[in-house]
Amino acid sequence: SQKIEQNSEALNIQEGKTATLTCNYTNYSPAYLQWYRQDPGRGPVFLLLIRENEKEKRKERLKVTFDTTLKQSLFHITASQPADSATYLCALDFGGFKTIFGAGTRLFVKA
Amino acid sequence: DGGITQSPKYLFRKEGQNVTLSCEQNLNHDAMYWYRQDPGQGLRLIYYSQIVNDFQKGDIAEGYSVSREKKESFPLTVTSAQKNPTAFYLCASSVAGPTYGYTFGSGTRLTVV
Repeated sequence: SQKIEQNSEALNIQEGKTATLTCNYTNYSPAYLQWYRQDPGRGPVFLLLIRENEKEKRKERLKVTFDTTLKQSLFHITASQPADSATYLCALDFGGFKTIFGAGTRLFVKA
Repeated sequence: DGGITQSPKYLFRKEGQNVTLSCEQNLNHDAMYWYRQDPGQGLRLIYYSQIVNDFQKGDIAEGYSVSREKKESFPLTVTSAQKNPTAFYLCASSVAGPTYGYTFGSGTRLTVV
């Protein structure tokens, strides 16, 4: 069966540390993978997109890796801050208009 | 500022009633989408529209209807045929497909009373 999995348990880290969130999938071959941030009661906000032929992408304190062999993407936030506390969603993008979203992982950054 | 406006933020529906959720964008995006979000689940696609006067069913279209008479507007009607409508509804838009990421509205929380 086709699945996209993000850790359902919340991730708690100390301010200043690097947060690493995982997105695993099975039986899909996405062309792209997207990451979003969602705050409670709000819509998701697009952060980064990485293509299947890219290994890594960076944007300010964010880094995303995409391993199509392992079928996994890692999302890193370096020098984390309490303001980074939110739910982070990964999404598999197959091109066209088909996108599959994960349920998200909640991140808490403690001051 | 460009963006997507959803209204109302909260909506209460009685049994057997149809309700319409509004979605307006001023980003000049061709494609618009409606997603439903339930606790512990990923977003699920209800309907999407690539251009004006055209729309396609998503994965969970039963009990919902849409229209796309203007590029800026993509309203969603939750009909009485939708047996479990309580959820958080998100409207999104993108530049000709989602490859550059979606822009989402702030959502409408619908509750059946």
